[in-house]
Amino acid sequence: DTAVSQTPKYLVTQMGNDKSIKCEQNLGHDTMYWYKQDSKKFLKIMFSYNNKELIINETVPNRFSPKSPDKAHLNLHINSLELGDSAVYFCASSQEGGQSPLHFGNGTRLTVT
Amino acid sequence: KQEVTQIPAALSVPEGENLVLNCSFTDSAIYNLQWFRQDPGKGLTSLLLIQSSQREQTSGRLNASLDKSSGRSTLYIAASQPGDSATYLCAVPYGGSQGNLIFGKGTKLSVKP
Repeated sequence: DTAVSQTPKYLVTQMGNDKSIKCEQNLGHDTMYWYKQDSKKFLKIMFSYNNKELIINETVPNRFSPKSPDKAHLNLHINSLELGDSAVYFCASSQEGGQSPLHFGNGTRLTVT
Repeated sequence: KQEVTQIPAALSVPEGENLVLNCSFTDSAIYNLQWFRQDPGKGLTSLLLIQSSQREQTSGRLNASLDKSSGRSTLYIAASQPGDSATYLCAVPYGGSQGNLIFGKGTKLSVKP
């Protein structure tokens, strides 16, 4: 009964490839997020998305794109992977307006070789 | 621009000690402040969320305080246990969305038996 689940847990790929990370939440939340944790363990938001609006952190390259097939899913697509994309990517969800805490998935460790 | 700082970066204590983790933020116009725990290889678990109108929140052996005017929050852990060993992060929302969090770099806590 995992609340926020991400797949895969580990992803190793070569430079130039295109990859996707999937995220699903079963909490009924209306907003989902992608965060990136770099090698220094610093967490930064990449995207937030609800059924009305996509908010993109301006520092995120346009090779990264979120795709939401429905309210419970927010997948992350990455094109033309670069070495610097290696990091742990976390999906999260919350209910806007309710002052509820963020719920995080367990992360996907992406290694680009 | 909001910045969140956590001191100390790392802390090692013997089991049974009471301890305080510190968090400071530069812009006092915040909705709320959250404290999270991150275990190695795992996602973040929300510990406490303090609304901007509150001074403190308690959950078991954890107590978090918030002083908006001075831009500070503390997380007090009573009677620490080895199972408390983890990285503790504080975060505040920005940009009008409560899920768009700015995180501190965390305090890595080690509780020795």
